[in-house]
Amino acid sequence: SAVISQKPSRDICQRGTSLTIQCQVDSQVTMMFWYRQQPGQSLTLIATANQGSEATYESGFVIDKFPISRPNLTFSTLTVSNMSPEDSSIYLCSVRSILNYGYTFGSGTRLTVV
Amino acid sequence: GDSVTQMEGPVTLSEEAFLTINCTYTATGYPSLFWYVQYPGEGLQLLLKATKADDKGSNKGFEATYRKETTSFHLEKGSVQVSDSAVYFCALSVTNAGGTSYGKLTFGQGTILTVHP
Repeated sequence: SAVISQKPSRDICQRGTSLTIQCQVDSQVTMMFWYRQQPGQSLTLIATANQGSEATYESGFVIDKFPISRPNLTFSTLTVSNMSPEDSSIYLCSVRSILNYGYTFGSGTRLTVV
Repeated sequence: GDSVTQMEGPVTLSEEAFLTINCTYTATGYPSLFWYVQYPGEGLQLLLKATKADDKGSNKGFEATYRKETTSFHLEKGSVQVSDSAVYFCALSVTNAGGTSYGKLTFGQGTILTVHP
């Protein structure tokens, strides 16, 4: 299965600032996703990152707050903009491998906004 | 829409006890089903999966059978260990009749398992 490198692993940020999270995969994958896991909660899909075009956002998530880039088949970034304490969560990158129909997750970015 | 419902947690067991975590789903297309495990402070790891009805996924002593008639994918293990303490997530992805996957995973709420020596 694909190996994902997600950076940073954790960060503490001031409210009103922005943080960009990077997701690098060791092989070409068809689909890349960004999830949010709020404290003690399950995972919620933020968006599907599309190569060379705008991401597809789920209900409740907007591009201005969570801009996403995917310049090629192995790399994507998620930015959390104008942060507030409510954005404190774990953000996870996930990829889908067409070869074995599996989904692989990065180790996550634990974000705390103060 | 698509949804996954897991049994309420947390679950606390003694070592070597039998484990069942219930998972039921609703799906608008043809689902594939997954169990993921999240150990403390770590990301999600795929535990097992099943892609069609009556398939049984198994790994590390855990098993789950895709039951279309009851729309269920319950996780079982015959003898749990302290090292199995983690959060377990049931999830599904859906393919339409044409075989096109919508790609995304829909997760249940997660079940916290604690195993005591």
